[in-house]
Amino acid sequence: GAVVSQHPSWVICKSGTSVKIECRSLDFQATTMFWYRQFPKQSLMLMATSNEGSKATYEQGVEKDKFLINHASLTLSTLTVTSAHPEDSSFYICSARSGGAGEQYFGPGTRLTVT
Amino acid sequence: AQSVTQLGSHVSVSEGALVLLRCNYSSSVPPYLFWYVQYPNQGLQLLLKYTTGATLVKGINGFEAEFKKSETSFHLTKPSAHMSDAAEYFCAVTAAWAQSWSGGGSNYKLTFGKGTLLTVNP
Repeated sequence: GAVVSQHPSWVICKSGTSVKIECRSLDFQATTMFWYRQFPKQSLMLMATSNEGSKATYEQGVEKDKFLINHASLTLSTLTVTSAHPEDSSFYICSARSGGAGEQYFGPGTRLTVT
Repeated sequence: AQSVTQLGSHVSVSEGALVLLRCNYSSSVPPYLFWYVQYPNQGLQLLLKYTTGATLVKGINGFEAEFKKSETSFHLTKPSAHMSDAAEYFCAVTAAWAQSWSGGGSNYKLTFGKGTLLTVNP
């Protein structure tokens, strides 16, 4: 149980275009989902927290107009990187909280490369 | 505010040797503590967690960790390393009180350490 999927697993896009990453909780309802960014050989940096049906809460320094998050249902959250630039290239990981004792279940990550 | 310090960004052990990965935390409220493992180009997998009750917690793949409040530590151990244990390990903390109500989701956020890369030598 508690499986989280992400799609796509990797994506290459051209500078200036937008790309959408999906995060799904496959076997549980996730009232809260999280989006992280991870640079090579570094820890996870929380970008934003999203609750189903409400606006996402962004961490300080994260541009909400560039990283659009939509938590449309209890099993789906999306991250859209708008007008992507090479510096947005990174590994993006989502997680979902299933309630209870607070652990988060992580997706497999999406490798974004902007050329 | 909470923080996590993982001592040693890289730990190397021989196959069959004891694995000890150190984690110290800082929290002004009772913490929930977690250890996650990450294999290359993959997401994080929960190894074990401490919430309440027994301070020695056992996880998957033979790992265990002990919550020591007096030392603000949550070190991860495994008696005998296996080649398949080679990965990045992250310690994380969240506020225990935040889990008892269904308020704003940002209260559930995890604070991660910088990670420890475990290398297992044959």
